[in-house]
Amino acid sequence: NAGVTQTPKFRILKIGQSMTLQCTQDMNHNYMYWYRQDPGMGLKLIYYSVGAGITDKGEVPNGYNVSRSTTEDFPLRLELAAPSQTSVYFCASSWNTEAFFGQGTRLTVV
Amino acid sequence: ELKVEQNPLFLSMQEGKNYTIYCNYSTTSDRLYWYRQDPGKSLESLFVLLSNGAVKQEGRLMASLDTKARLSTLHITAAVHDLSATYFCAVVYGNKLVFGAGTILRVKS
Repeated sequence: NAGVTQTPKFRILKIGQSMTLQCTQDMNHNYMYWYRQDPGMGLKLIYYSVGAGITDKGEVPNGYNVSRSTTEDFPLRLELAAPSQTSVYFCASSWNTEAFFGQGTRLTVV
Repeated sequence: ELKVEQNPLFLSMQEGKNYTIYCNYSTTSDRLYWYRQDPGKSLESLFVLLSNGAVKQEGRLMASLDTKARLSTLHITAAVHDLSATYFCAVVYGNKLVFGAGTILRVKS
């Protein structure tokens, strides 16, 4: 049982480049989330989804996009990367009382 | 909009001592989580608290929930060095899971 899988684990982007952070869960959870965690800080919600085809903005959505075409996958797209997007990104899934996190993607924009 | 406040934000304690971390939230919620995060790692689920008066214990950690006061506590008993980590509370608000800022715990020998 893999749980929540994020790829890649590390990435360095140049300013203005784009990339997609992948997140897959195998627990059939309806709810999925993307967070960013800046150094020494808490987690801020970027986007979330309550099921396939349904997404909504969180606290800090600017500069990001998401899609949810299947229950399993919830990719996060960065368009025109900026240094302010340097962070660790966590994907999570939940249903009922369970909530699990992926291992994170450490992104540096230079 | 839900606000989740933890205090203290930093806690340095001696081994063998007891202490409590507090998590206050501003709006009614029916679910609260506590997580542990080690440096450079992901979040590990410690407890989920579902109802008023709920108390859960695992080893030296005990979590409780008072929904009327909108307050959860994480009590540490006889701290050991291995408990050094950052602890987060997170509250369900509608369809969102909202985190507190975290409490950095350092246990000194």
